[in-house]
Amino acid sequence: AQTVTQSQPEMSVQEAETVTLSCTYDTSENNYYLFWYKQPPSRQMILVIRQEAYKQQNATENRFSVNFQKAAKSFSLKISDSQLGDTAMYFCAFMRGNNNDMRFGAGTRLTVKP
Amino acid sequence: GAVVSQHPSWVICKSGTSVKIECRSLDFQATTMFWYRQFPKQSLMLMATSNEGSKATYEQGVEKDKFLINHASLTLSTLTVTSAHPEDSSFYICSAQGGGPRETQYFGPGTRLLVL
Repeated sequence: AQTVTQSQPEMSVQEAETVTLSCTYDTSENNYYLFWYKQPPSRQMILVIRQEAYKQQNATENRFSVNFQKAAKSFSLKISDSQLGDTAMYFCAFMRGNNNDMRFGAGTRLTVKP
Repeated sequence: GAVVSQHPSWVICKSGTSVKIECRSLDFQATTMFWYRQFPKQSLMLMATSNEGSKATYEQGVEKDKFLINHASLTLSTLTVTSAHPEDSSFYICSAQGGGPRETQYFGPGTRLLVL
């Protein structure tokens, strides 16, 4: 079974600073996908970034980037120039390449302070 | 693009009644739809996966007779909570694939269910 671990229940960062959220996963698969989703107080799940396991290059979306370490099974999210609107729960998720099941971590609550 | 809607956004019902929640992909055809449940301050738990025109696949521990899923078209899936009880109160979220990269799921805004 695949497991996703987010070891930081809560984090905070000053506006304009950089913060990194941790995620590790456990799998024996070689073909899979990793995601970071954001859930603001509205509770709408929003895709932040995705990474294919077969790609060595780390995914980047504007202020959001990942550090994908396949051998270490680590998939951290870096948020640069943090904004107040980044305040939300962040979920790391794993999905096997030949299966639709998506497994989520427990989430990290990020607060951006003015 | 890749917008998913849910209706209703919240519902209050009496114990013993049934409640239907709709999930629609508004601007794409969803090959597969998913139903999740989220308790307060917890993560999302997959309940079932549905494909258009076929029976849903339920996760272990989810009662199929309790949570009826119908995927009638490529843009609509419904979840019916039958004979609801207070312990069914939760936040139910649907998602759909097909609006972007094959494996990416796009989520609806969720439905808050309160059973009295």
